[in-house]
Amino acid sequence: DAKTTQPNSMESNEEEPVHLPCNHSTISGTDYIHWYRQLPSQGPEYVIHGLTSNVNNRMASLAIAEDRKSSTLILHRATLRDAAVYYCILSRYSGYALNFGKGTSLLVTP
Amino acid sequence: GAVVSQHPSWVICKSGTSVKIECRSLDFQATTMFWYRQFPKQSLMLMATSNEGSKATYEQGVEKDKFLINHASLTLSTLTVTSAHPEDSSFYICSAIAGGNEQFFGPGTRLTVL
Repeated sequence: DAKTTQPNSMESNEEEPVHLPCNHSTISGTDYIHWYRQLPSQGPEYVIHGLTSNVNNRMASLAIAEDRKSSTLILHRATLRDAAVYYCILSRYSGYALNFGKGTSLLVTP
Repeated sequence: GAVVSQHPSWVICKSGTSVKIECRSLDFQATTMFWYRQFPKQSLMLMATSNEGSKATYEQGVEKDKFLINHASLTLSTLTVTSAHPEDSSFYICSAIAGGNEQFFGPGTRLTVL
């Protein structure tokens, strides 16, 4: 699987938008971009995924660069409950085991 | 979304004993489940792929005789840590494919071996 690079940590104020970046310069044409998050002492939770076009769901938005070498997860209004480790993962299919990197630890302050 | 449960949520055992962890898909059938392990301050690492009705596939470095996986039905996979030692203390997480392009994870089981 192609590798992703994320900042180790980010900080945001509550109710502000958060943009979590992910670089994946070696992405292949068939790789989907998945985002999962993990709250403390819990299993990972699916957030969003996309292939080429930007995606929106009730949790977040995913903006994918035109060359697909980077993407950004957007939380429109951060809440304290969004404090978690966010993982950007490339996979041709979510039916494969996922290769979790170190992720970005998001701190949300009131 | 689909729900995956794990039991127990935490367990403390003595060194040398065996511990069984259950992973269930509650509202869907899963032909494939995955078992991950997560040590403190580290990311999830895949241990094995569990396929219903067949032998599990283990990742390199994971002892198959120590971590026994049984996927006897489409809704249940079990991981048994045999002769557990303190170094096996970890957070064990299972996941299952519900169809589509989403992988659903269980809440995890915290194992502490004294």
